[in-house]
Amino acid sequence: SQQGEEDPQALSIQEGENATMNCSYKTSINNLQWYRQNSGRGLVHLILIRSNEREKHSGRLRVTLDTSKKSSSLLITASRAADTASYFCATNTGNTPLVFGKGTRLSVIA
Amino acid sequence: EAGVAQSPRYKIIEKRQSVAFWCNPISGHATLYWYQQILGQGPKLLIQFQNNGVVDDSQLPKDRFSAERLKGVDSTLKIQPAKLEDSAVYLCASSLGPGTRGETQYFGPGTRLLVL
Repeated sequence: SQQGEEDPQALSIQEGENATMNCSYKTSINNLQWYRQNSGRGLVHLILIRSNEREKHSGRLRVTLDTSKKSSSLLITASRAADTASYFCATNTGNTPLVFGKGTRLSVIA
Repeated sequence: EAGVAQSPRYKIIEKRQSVAFWCNPISGHATLYWYQQILGQGPKLLIQFQNNGVVDDSQLPKDRFSAERLKGVDSTLKIQPAKLEDSAVYLCASSLGPGTRGETQYFGPGTRLLVL
């Protein structure tokens, strides 16, 4: 079953703009992770945020977590053409493996 | 550090044939995962190994799919016989820890399977 649900399903922006993707989930989590998948490739881990954290940064990435709303957002600032990819959130609810959402397809137009 | 290796990268077979995929995880990683990713969807866990033992195979269609991880290192995933709906990318991933607390997973490039 899929725990996380990304929104929007697809997003198209101009290079230099910011991209925001959201993830909603249903049950309490231990942590939430964001992964990127370039076309035809495997997934690459971007960032992990724990349930007791509200915000984390990594380079041009900013992730927020609101456990009261059961949602997370991924912000990519100053986007580049190389950021074109699918982005997945994955949740861990305890003594279970990660569960991935369906992803957001981001297109950054040069 | 070498990443997760998978082979083959692409495979085309006819329905009812059998196929096998191979994965070599990152050295020292105890946990290995096989995922199925259908076009337009997120990865779905098929089976998780910790060392050479199965931790979770609840979503593995055991009538046609099998997997093993001999000696706790490499792993193979087999489909026999294949169905049209098995067309997907099969991803292998590994993690250092037991995978029960949502540790970071490192993915291979995947095997793209097309069943005709």
